[in-house]
Amino acid sequence: QSALTQPRSVSGSPGQSVTVSCTGTSSDVGGYNHVSWYQQYPGKAPKLMISDVSKRPSGVPDRFSGSKSGNTASLTISGLQAEDEADYYCCSYAGTYTWVFGGGTKLTVL
Amino acid sequence: EVQLVESGGGLVQPGGSLRLSCAASGFTFSNYWMHWVRQAPGKGLVWVSLIRTDGAVTTYADSVKGRFTISRDNAKNTLYLQMNSLRAEDTAVYHCVRDVGKNMDVWGKGTTVTVSS
Repeated sequence: QSALTQPRSVSGSPGQSVTVSCTGTSSDVGGYNHVSWYQQYPGKAPKLMISDVSKRPSGVPDRFSGSKSGNTASLTISGLQAEDEADYYCCSYAGTYTWVFGGGTKLTVL
Repeated sequence: EVQLVESGGGLVQPGGSLRLSCAASGFTFSNYWMHWVRQAPGKGLVWVSLIRTDGAVTTYADSVKGRFTISRDNAKNTLYLQMNSLRAEDTAVYHCVRDVGKNMDVWGKGTTVTVSS
């Protein structure tokens, strides 16, 4: 149950695109299409932004998109806005009813 | 409105016990798997435990296995986490989370557990 690997921080200017990576193994990210992404503001509960690698829940802007290649999943935010500044976490199903999160990435909008 | 409200957190001494509760409303609780996820101060999210709809299947992170017990009362729409032999490293905000298709779609605001002498 080792944590997935995310960059500690990423940054971008308003209007630009940023991508957050999430690297696991063939036992989690690479083995299942149940990778999800969560946005968290300080002191608040996390919010589901992407499910099952690339599905966007109702109400999530289409600026947010997800993908996966091998053992690495990615969250891309296009048309960056100031309100996107938050912490982002990936999570993967890891088999036998267990899950593993990434360490989190702090997104700074310059 | 779909809502999860945790309670039961507090200050407890190392080696002590605590029981967390999570009241669910706005959806058919008995139809959903449920998780507990925790977040230590200034740290990331960590999955703790899962319980399936009827409670027949429960799983735990290695760090809490043998010390924590997840359970549910579908008649009361309530999820529980019994925490025994608490350690300083269990200090965290504990979130109750609904599962949908192995993703976590609804989160409670959390209840704070502090383990300290």
